[in-house]
Formats: sequence, C-alpha cells, structure tokens
Amino acid sequence: GESVGLHLPTLSVQEGDNSIINCAYSNSASDYFIWYKQESGKGPQFIIDIRSNMDKRQGQRVTVLLNKTVKHLSLQIAATQPGDSAVYFCAETPYSGGGADGLTFGKGTHLIIQP
Amino acid sequence: GAVVSQHPSWVICKSGTSVKIECRSLDFQATTMFWYRQFPKQSLMLMATSNEGSKATYEQGVEKDKFLINHASLTLSTLTVTSAHPEDSSFYICSAVDRGGPGYTFGSGTRLTVV
Repeated sequence: GESVGLHLPTLSVQEGDNSIINCAYSNSASDYFIWYKQESGKGPQFIIDIRSNMDKRQGQRVTVLLNKTVKHLSLQIAATQPGDSAVYFCAETPYSGGGADGLTFGKGTHLIIQP
Repeated sequence: GAVVSQHPSWVICKSGTSVKIECRSLDFQATTMFWYRQFPKQSLMLMATSNEGSKATYEQGVEKDKFLINHASLTLSTLTVTSAHPEDSSFYICSAVDRGGPGYTFGSGTRLTVV
C-alpha cells in the first residue's frame, strides 16, 4: 500500500550544527504534511506543517521543504540544541477541509545531538 | 493552544481483562478524534477514527470488537481494549482535531502492558 517513509533511521549531529531530516511519500493525493517531534514515552509534538500549494515554510529554527515532483519532504533544524534530541516523524493526509482523515506516519528518524 | 489529555498514562493488566483509555480535548470541541498504536521503535499506526455521535471507522486489520471506541461527547473519546492479551501491549495515542488551531493535537499516550 502507499506509505510515507524515511531515508535515514538515525542522524547524529554536533550541537550547534544544522540538521536535515528527509522523508519520502508515495501517495499522490497527499495534500497536507506535518513534522512531529516525539520524546521517549510521550505523544508527538507538532513542529511545522505545509500544504501542497507551497514548497517552503519557515518557523523558529525550523524549515520544511516540499518537492512534489519527487514526492520528498525535508525538515531542517538550525543550530541544533541538546533539547532537539528526539525521534522525528513526517506525516501526511489528503486535505479534506479540516482534519476528517487520520495521518499516515513515516518510519521516524532518531536525531542525536552530540555535545 | 489546543490541549489533549489522555488517561491513564500507563496501565498494567492481566491477560483476559479489559482496559479503558480516555482521551479528552480540554479547551476545544472535537467532532473527530483518532486512535493510534505504536510498538517499540516503530511508527504510529492509525487504528480508528472516532466520530462524535456515530460509529467509529476502523482501519483494515483492526478488530472493532476488540478495540471498542465510544465518542459520546464533543470532548471525550474512549478506547476499550477487551480481553487483552500480551500482544496488545503497546503505546496507545489519541489525537483530536482543533479546527481553529494547527489541526492535529496529540495526547501524551498510554503505555499498556498485559501480563
């Protein structure tokens, strides 16, 4: 079936460096994409989202890039901090006017920040 | 911002017994809530969509008679794992849609251990 997947399961970066987490999706009907951060034993925490009519969106220290041509999504975290260590998931859903569909999650990338 | 409360945060039960998990939207009304299951070191998998005042919609492969969902009000959905077995041990997470906010807000999850 169609799914959302990730290229790298684990990413280790030095504190202060920038990190890029990638995600590939296969559902051409995907219209809304979200990045979540999940710490051990906790629920996912919203980071940033983007709709398919955009190719870039910026937040505080984070940027999401969307390439619909190759069905690729990335999350860039600038100046990583120890608190950024967590598992990051991309998720997607077809837009249906406000959240009537559940999310399909990618496999997750464990981001490790080295001191 | 939107807050979703999930209770209990962890539960241990004996094989064959039933366990109820509650999901509440604290400061908004949610006509739709979602239930996910997450096994260790894996991604979140959508189990079912909980609709206020109507029957839940289950994903393929999820037994509706085993995972009973009730969404009796606009702020509360419950998931009951009936006749639990050790293979049902997992992290169960709910999500509610806040149409006035970022969309999908997640609870903190419930760690179920069946012994």
